[in-house]
Amino acid sequence: ETGVTQTPRHLVMGMTNKKSLKCEQHLGHNAMYWYKQSAKKPLELMFVYNFKEQTENNSVPSRFSPECPNSSHLFLHLHTLQPEDSALYLCASSRLSGQGYTEAFFGQGTRLTVV
Amino acid sequence: AQTVTQSQPEMSVQEAETVTLSCTYDTSESDYYLFWYKQPPSRQMILVIRQEAYKQQNATENRFSVNFQKAAKSFSLKISDSQLGDAAMYFCALYSGAGSYQLTFGKGTKLSVIP
Repeated sequence: ETGVTQTPRHLVMGMTNKKSLKCEQHLGHNAMYWYKQSAKKPLELMFVYNFKEQTENNSVPSRFSPECPNSSHLFLHLHTLQPEDSALYLCASSRLSGQGYTEAFFGQGTRLTVV
Repeated sequence: AQTVTQSQPEMSVQEAETVTLSCTYDTSESDYYLFWYKQPPSRQMILVIRQEAYKQQNATENRFSVNFQKAAKSFSLKISDSQLGDAAMYFCALYSGAGSYQLTFGKGTKLSVIP
């Protein structure tokens, strides 16, 4: 248990569906991340939020829409996905302060299958 | 842009023996952090060890230690007295500051432990 909780753990959705992934942390961290992990690619950073402000968007298609209502919660809204979007989606959080940077703590991931 | 390279897709080690996983990185920042993460089949990404670039002393955590060569931009992980539970994917990761909060991962090394 890392203190970062992701729901759901598994998700199967059709290409016309709309669904959302949720991530929650109560570690007092100020940065939250979405990563995509595919079978044959390295971990791909999708989005970074720092104190609710999006600081990075690594050329992610608009069918992925992040939302960070507060420092403890992060969502990834999904719509009209493609089969190649099937992957493990990992959420992480970390803290950067005057004392330095903490390591990222990861959730257990959501295994997404697009049919 | 920062990069992390793991040149060993797969490694194996005999139980109780020692194994070293390689990682090289590139960043233009002078202040950065390096990490090794472990991802067992359960998918939970777990921190193994961290190293601050400004520290010359190599980090150690029980059976895990690193060889940090800053000039060569090399950060290898040594696992001593390997155990069956060490079998997992191991990822090297780099965080460098400048406010971007980017945590970049290598492609990973799959470690098998032979009884």
